Amino acid sequence: QVQLQQWGAGLLKPSQTLSLTCAVYGGSFNGFYWSWIRQSPGKGLEWIGEINYDGLTGYNPSLKRRVTISVDTSKNQFSLRLTSVTAADTAVYFCARGRGYGDYWGQGTLVTVSS
Amino acid sequence: DIQMTQSPLSLSASVGDRISITCRASQDIKSHLSWYQQKGREAPKFVIYAASVLQSGVPSRFSGSGSGTDYILTISNVQREDFATYYCQQGYSAPFTFGPGTKVDLK
Repeated sequence: QVQLQQWGAGLLKPSQTLSLTCAVYGGSFNGFYWSWIRQSPGKGLEWIGEINYDGLTGYNPSLKRRVTISVDTSKNQFSLRLTSVTAADTAVYFCARGRGYGDYWGQGTLVTVSS
Repeated sequence: DIQMTQSPLSLSASVGDRISITCRASQDIKSHLSWYQQKGREAPKFVIYAASVLQSGVPSRFSGSGSGTDYILTISNVQREDFATYYCQQGYSAPFTFGPGTKVDLK
């Protein structure tokens, strides 16, 4: 049974850096891509980017300048960093397994950006 | 980016109805199309992939079809637990975009 558990700060001030981590339990970590997706009332579901076991990344061009996704294969974890956040980055952030799909998802983390 | 649209954006149904939701891509996505069900603020649940393949554990009243740019999610004999919002996502070309969602509620 594959489970994804995510955590990170939920309240940020403008210009700060968002940092979230997702741990994968059960199943295989290598052989898959691991993704970050966010959901806001204004923009719906938005794919942020992905990483695989070898560290190969892909990012949404709309966020590419500010996003870094990294992987720690020793812990079966992957992480998201989003710099210079603004109110427009307020959303529920999800981690998920898969490239171009998500068959397993984390529970979601509400990140609010407010001064 | 590939743009995804869905229709309708909302629909009301009764238990036992058969409903269909359409998803359209701005270009041919060669059946790289997934459907998700989301209830409230829960994480989306993976329902169908490759346009027509039912994810393990999903009831057989769910089905998907389509090719090229046009895809359909059908729920036959709608049950109470099916009232939710449904999203499509294209997995053909990054960024992997989602449709705006279709909210299905009780008539």
